[in-house]
Amino acid sequence: SQTIHQWPATLVQPVGSPLSLECTVEGTSNPNLYWYRQAAGRGLQLLFYSVGIGQISSEVPQNLSASRPQDRQFILSSKKLLLSDSGFYLCAWRVVGSPLHFGNGTRLTVT
Amino acid sequence: AQSVTQLGSHVSVSEGALVLLRCNYSSSVPPYLFWYVQYPNQGLQLLLKYTSAATLVKGINGFEAEFKKSETSFHLTKPSAHMSDAAEYFCAVSESGAAGNKLTFGGGTRVLVKP
Repeated sequence: SQTIHQWPATLVQPVGSPLSLECTVEGTSNPNLYWYRQAAGRGLQLLFYSVGIGQISSEVPQNLSASRPQDRQFILSSKKLLLSDSGFYLCAWRVVGSPLHFGNGTRLTVT
Repeated sequence: AQSVTQLGSHVSVSEGALVLLRCNYSSSVPPYLFWYVQYPNQGLQLLLKYTSAATLVKGINGFEAEFKKSETSFHLTKPSAHMSDAAEYFCAVSESGAAGNKLTFGGGTRVLVKP
């Protein structure tokens, strides 16, 4: 069966520090991969998605970047965090025609 | 372009009462529609999905939703609320077929269940 792992579960980082959140999927090949952010009271915002290795689509201009170095690995990064980057980050995967399957999320607090 | 509107960011129901969460969508092509539930500090879990088969879709935990093309709606219902239904619910839309790479979510509806 397919599983998705996302870590860390919680993270507290100072403003200006770098960020790296990692997500891996097991049990499927060539999935579409997604990063969503959920800010308090603002629903889910799609940040990035990828349909293959090295292919990244950015949905909103921001301080973050994403990379997909391997088929089932998706990384969310920042060189310098801003206070506004605080939120709940969710990684997800799907194959065409299927629902999204979400990880358990990372709670990021930028102080 | 696709979009989703969930009417009501908060809904309060009594235990045993009907749960009704409203979702309207817009899509330029036949849509796939989904309802997800999120418990605190967790990811989203799929409740049910509509993918152009039966218009009345049954999901987990006693929930169901009806696709009404004429109303561009996909409202979620449950006949009798349980305390465990207290959570946030998200409606989502994607394009059907291979072009449907992205899901667009509504703003969410938080459900409070009163004893």
